[in-house]
Amino acid sequence: NAGVTQTPKFRVLKTGQSMTLLCAQDMNHEYMYWYRQDPGMGLRLIHYSVGEGTTAKGEVPDGYNVSRLKKQNFLLGLESAAPSQTSVYFCASSYRGDTQYFGPGTRLTVL
Amino acid sequence: AQSVAQPEDQVNVAEGNPLTVKCTYSVSGNPYLFWYVQYPNRGLQFLLKYITGDNLVKGSYGFEAEFNKSQTSFHLKKPSALVSDSALYFCAVKIVGDKLSFGAGTTVTVRA
Repeated sequence: NAGVTQTPKFRVLKTGQSMTLLCAQDMNHEYMYWYRQDPGMGLRLIHYSVGEGTTAKGEVPDGYNVSRLKKQNFLLGLESAAPSQTSVYFCASSYRGDTQYFGPGTRLTVL
Repeated sequence: AQSVAQPEDQVNVAEGNPLTVKCTYSVSGNPYLFWYVQYPNRGLQFLLKYITGDNLVKGSYGFEAEFNKSQTSFHLKKPSALVSDSALYFCAVKIVGDKLSFGAGTTVTVRA
């Protein structure tokens, strides 16, 4: 099993550009999450999903959108990137809210 | 609000010495508590969790954590630290909606 994978690993954007981060899991988990990690702030939840076709806002949802069209995939979109969105993004999945398992992360820089 | 706090930004220990990483929690009801470790340029790895039962929880890589209800703490411990234990450690608590609230993290440095 690959576990949780994230694409891409690195990305540099200019302010105003858009992009989509892809998260995939092969553990048949119901729940999936998107976090951002910034120095000294731990992980903050952006959006999450409790099943295929569902999404919900987390702690810091502004400027991001998500979609969960397939159970194994959870997409995070930035419609108009801003420098404040420079961060490391982590995806995680869990079986019905139990232990979360994390992907390797995507390092995003917005210039 | 349900949350955890990690009072130390950094912990420095010598190899072979005991390692303790502190975590305190603030929740209503019975807490579900977790410890994760993050090595440089990697994702978070699950170490252990407390749901109910024994106050001493054993996890991966020789780590254990002690749940103390009276002190609202869930400290991570390892009897003999290794240089390879140098990493960023996060405490987390399960909150409403099956989400996790993370502490700010503690950087552990184990010197040879």
